[in-house]
Amino acid sequence: TQLLEQSPQFLSIQEGENLTVYCNSSSVFSSLQWYRQEPGEGPVLLVTVVTGGEVKKLKRLTFQFGDARKDSSLHITAAQPGDTGLYLCAGGAGYALNFGKGTSLLVTP
Amino acid sequence: DARVTQTPRHKVTEMGQEVTMRCQPILGHNTVFWYRQTMMQGLELLAYFRNRAPLDDSGMPKDRFSAEMPDATLATLKIQPSEPRDSAVYFCASAGSGMLNQPQHFGDGTRLSIL
Repeated sequence: TQLLEQSPQFLSIQEGENLTVYCNSSSVFSSLQWYRQEPGEGPVLLVTVVTGGEVKKLKRLTFQFGDARKDSSLHITAAQPGDTGLYLCAGGAGYALNFGKGTSLLVTP
Repeated sequence: DARVTQTPRHKVTEMGQEVTMRCQPILGHNTVFWYRQTMMQGLELLAYFRNRAPLDDSGMPKDRFSAEMPDATLATLKIQPSEPRDSAVYFCASAGSGMLNQPQHFGDGTRLSIL
C-alpha cells in the first residue's frame, strides 16, 4: 500500500490568513487528487495533478505536484470561513485511490 | 447535477444485527467503491467493482462483510453480524470508465452506530 502522510493534522486560523498544507509519500504516483470534505458530506474533488512540477490554481487555492511526483502541497490565500473542512489528498493505485488522513482546517471570522 | 445516493443516511442498531447499506452510483459510471471513515484510520477502501465485477475486496473483513452489485444501478454492503467496532461512516463513490485514477464522486455516507 502506498502511504500518504498529510500535515498538519489540524489547523486553526483566522480569516484573511494564508496557509499551506502538505501531502507526502515515499512512492511515486501517476497522479494525485485533492478533495475537500465538509461535515456530514462526502469528499468533493478539487483538482487532479498529473505532471511533476505542475501548478494548478482554483481561485484562492494553489496546488503543486512535486517534481518527483511523490508529494504535493495546497496553498490557500486569504482564507475564508467557507474554506473550513477536511482536505484530503489521494494518490492513484490502479483504478482505486489511496487517501491520506487529511488536514482539518478551521477558519474563524 | 448527478449524484451518488446512499441509504440510509443514519443507522443505529444493536450488535449482532444484520446491517445493509445501499448505493446508487451516477448513471453511466462503471466503477463503484466502498469506503469506511473513522477518526483514527481516516478513509479506508473496503472494496470496489468495475462493470459490476468485484476487483478488490482485500480491505474488507470477509468473515462478516459482503459487497455486491446486483445491477448497474445498485451496490450493497452488508455486515452480519455487526459489532461495535464497525461503527463508522461508510461512503460509496463512483467513477466513470476510461483511464486509471478517474475522479471519484462520493455520496454523503451512511453513519452507522452499533450499540
